[in-house]
Amino acid sequence: GAGVSQSPSNKVTEKGKDVELRCDPISGHTALYWYRQSLGQGLEFLIYFQGNSAPDKSGLPSDRFSAERTGGSVSTLTIQRTQQEDSAVYLCASRRTGDGGEQYFGPGTRLTVT
Amino acid sequence: AQSVTQPDIHITVSEGASLELRCNYSYGATPYLFWYVQSPGQGLQLLLKYFSGDTLVQGIKGFEAEFKRSQSSFNLRKPSVHWSDAAEYFCAVGFMEYGNKLVFGAGTILRVKS
Repeated sequence: GAGVSQSPSNKVTEKGKDVELRCDPISGHTALYWYRQSLGQGLEFLIYFQGNSAPDKSGLPSDRFSAERTGGSVSTLTIQRTQQEDSAVYLCASRRTGDGGEQYFGPGTRLTVT
Repeated sequence: AQSVTQPDIHITVSEGASLELRCNYSYGATPYLFWYVQSPGQGLQLLLKYFSGDTLVQGIKGFEAEFKRSQSSFNLRKPSVHWSDAAEYFCAVGFMEYGNKLVFGAGTILRVKS
């Protein structure tokens, strides 16, 4: 079946612009996660959704970062007023409730802020 | 705080040789344990997981890992490495009370010599 998909695969933006990154989880997966992978920080958790609510936003690095999920499916991660340190690969993962902790990852969106 | 340590940043092995990648975690209870592999430009692929039961788990591509509670370790092994195993390997722990979010180690880059 279809896996987790993310778009765009690559995004180059100028410092100060806003960007939106999209994640389509596996159908039926109620849990959705965003992670960031950067050279200096490794793989970091950003936010977790259960359904449309986000019980854990503890990894969002600043108030410039926000995320939403609609219909228990698609999620959008928005970064406002991008900074060069936001350059990273943003990974989305989904998990089926009751499936232990196993998460299925998308291919990621590579964000470059110039 | 939860943490995951992969003490080896780089490892080089000869093709056909055995491999062990180390992983230690810090947590008060038994978490879910995972090993993921990432090839250049690719997303994260799950190699294997441990939730409970038999402490020696088998994964894909001939990999196995052993959970040792007394050492808080979950080392990844392969008896004979193939050139195609060259990639970056991440150990991760999932914490059920935190929505199963994953905390990753820093990763180990495996180079295979022919």
